[in-house]
Amino acid sequence: KAGVTQTPRYLIKTRGQQVTLSCSPISGHRSVSWYQQTPGQGLQFLFEYFSETQRNKGNFPGRFSGRQFSNSRSEMNVSTLELGDSALYLCASSSYWTSGSNEQFFGPGTRLTVL
Amino acid sequence: TQLLEQSPQFLSIQEGENLTVYCNSSSVFSSLQWYRQEPGEGPVLLVTVVTGGEVKKLKRLTFQFGDARKDSSLHITAAQPGDTGLYLCAGDGGFGNEKLTFGTGTRLTIIP
Repeated sequence: KAGVTQTPRYLIKTRGQQVTLSCSPISGHRSVSWYQQTPGQGLQFLFEYFSETQRNKGNFPGRFSGRQFSNSRSEMNVSTLELGDSALYLCASSSYWTSGSNEQFFGPGTRLTVL
Repeated sequence: TQLLEQSPQFLSIQEGENLTVYCNSSSVFSSLQWYRQEPGEGPVLLVTVVTGGEVKKLKRLTFQFGDARKDSSLHITAAQPGDTGLYLCAGDGGFGNEKLTFGTGTRLTIIP
């Protein structure tokens, strides 16, 4: 079974730009969560989608948004980038809402650098 | 807001030594997970503990969930270089708060 894939793996943007990151979950997983990982703040939950609906949301500003498609693939968008948005963005899929298991299967992440 | 504090933040020990990593919170979790993350990769689940007082063993790794389901520990016996990585605990808030709250992380280095 193929794992979670994320594209692109690396991205360099400048302040004020926007960026879209993509995630393909494990086949059969319908829940996709996004996390931001930085050395200072650790791993922080952004949001979770299930069946194209946002189920949970973390404490991030509205510049961070996401969506999920009917095939469970998900995208997250960050608008008006700030230097502090530089981080590793991790996507994880699970079968939580169908099996009850909240085990997160993570992708390798997208390393975003904002200059 | 649920917070999980891990200690120590950094740990560097010689191969063959034993170590314990702690994960503490003032909040109760329905279950707690431990992940290990290696450079350039996402975290990988090691274990999930669900019942207060539960102890799970995974080869040289022993995981314990506190009786009150607010804390957990990870004990590694006879550490090996392959144990090197970032260890993360994560608490599941349960029904109505299903998102995972991750701990601050423990970066472990095993010196050959």
